[in-house]
Amino acid sequence: DAKTTQPNSMESNEEEPVHLPCNHSTISGTDYIHWYRQLPSQGPEYVIHGLTSNVNNRMASLAIAEDRKSSTLILHRATLRDAAVYYCILHAGGTSYGKLTFGQGTILTVHP
Amino acid sequence: EADIYQTPRYLVIGTGKKITLECSQTMGHDKMYWYQQDPGMELHLIHYSYGVNSTEKGDLSSESTVSRIRTEHFPLTLESARPSHTSQYLCASSDRDSFANEKLFFGSGTQLSVL
Repeated sequence: DAKTTQPNSMESNEEEPVHLPCNHSTISGTDYIHWYRQLPSQGPEYVIHGLTSNVNNRMASLAIAEDRKSSTLILHRATLRDAAVYYCILHAGGTSYGKLTFGQGTILTVHP
Repeated sequence: EADIYQTPRYLVIGTGKKITLECSQTMGHDKMYWYQQDPGMELHLIHYSYGVNSTEKGDLSSESTVSRIRTEHFPLTLESARPSHTSQYLCASSDRDSFANEKLFFGSGTQLSVL
């Protein structure tokens, strides 16, 4: 899978929006962009994924650049429960199995 | 919500003991995975299965073994635990036939400490 680059850490205040960036300049045409998060002492949790168009669900929004070389996970109103490590992952299409390569991710701190 | 369970949640054991980490899911997923994660570090895939009687090794070499006799059950075994096996072990299953579009559901993990 192609590599992603994320900031090591970010901070936010409660009730404010959070924009978590991810660069993936070597993305291929069939790579999906996945986001997971891992709360302390828990396994990762699926957040959202997309291919080309922006995506919304109850947890977050995913904004994908037109050239697909970067994307942004948007938490519209951060809560203390959103404090976690956020992973941006490229998942190849075709015959790839669940080989999600979890990098270091971004540690999100939410201040009350 | 995901229905995937791992037991035990924590395990402290002496060197040389045989251990089995349990993982069960009630979602009927064919694909199941084991990841290993050290504190503050990346997750590494160590085993995966596409269905009953199917098991493969992942990217990270591991002395553990797995079995898949039933769809819902994917246990991991260490024949002789060593301190180097101390780590968090995370089990996951997925719900899609299309690999790139799949969503993984993770258990809460087993924190293994070998003394």
